[in-house]
Amino acid sequence: AQSVSQHNHHVILSEAASLELGCNYSYGGTVNLFWYVQYPGQHLQLLLKYFSGDPLVKGIKGFEAEFIKSKFSFNLRKPSVQWSDTAEYFCAVNAPGQNFVFGPGTRLSVLP
Amino acid sequence: ETGVTQSPTHLIKTRGQQVTLRCSSQSGHNTVSWYQQALGQGPQFIFQYYREEENGRGNFPPRFSGLQFPNYSSELNVNALELDDSALYLCASSREGGDTQYFGPGTRLTVL
Repeated sequence: AQSVSQHNHHVILSEAASLELGCNYSYGGTVNLFWYVQYPGQHLQLLLKYFSGDPLVKGIKGFEAEFIKSKFSFNLRKPSVQWSDTAEYFCAVNAPGQNFVFGPGTRLSVLP
Repeated sequence: ETGVTQSPTHLIKTRGQQVTLRCSSQSGHNTVSWYQQALGQGPQFIFQYYREEENGRGNFPPRFSGLQFPNYSSELNVNALELDDSALYLCASSREGGDTQYFGPGTRLTVL
């Protein structure tokens, strides 16, 4: 069965700091990879996704993620965070035709 | 704007009662998935409906059941509520093939 782990439960950064959130999955076959964000009091929103092709994908709000197949990883990055990036971030995986599996989430707090 | 709507927003029930949650999918989407998100955790897949039939189920007991209607809206029914059923219930819709899911705002269920 697929599983997703996220390295950090809670990350605290100051504004303008760089961000990297780790995500690893366990599944040997082809996967689709996603990062979702949940701002306080709002619904889950898609940040970016990877299906195939260039392993470096760019999403909304300046976020990007890199798929490293050999490491089963899909880490999320942003060069300079803003206070408005304070949210919960979820990595998710699905094999084509199969159900989504979400990681436990990483809470990001950005201090002004 | 995801276009997925859920009702009600909040619900309080007592142990042993039954509850029905509703979801309207985004226009053009014919697949609906339901998730349970306990506090501080990632969404857990309950089941998916496609063309009015269950199309995959997670590790949830049979007292969790669902329906999908011809207009692709969906219901989640939970019988014999338990305290541990207290959670945010998320509905997500997707196009045929389900490669990317778009989430609604959720229904917060509290079981006393």
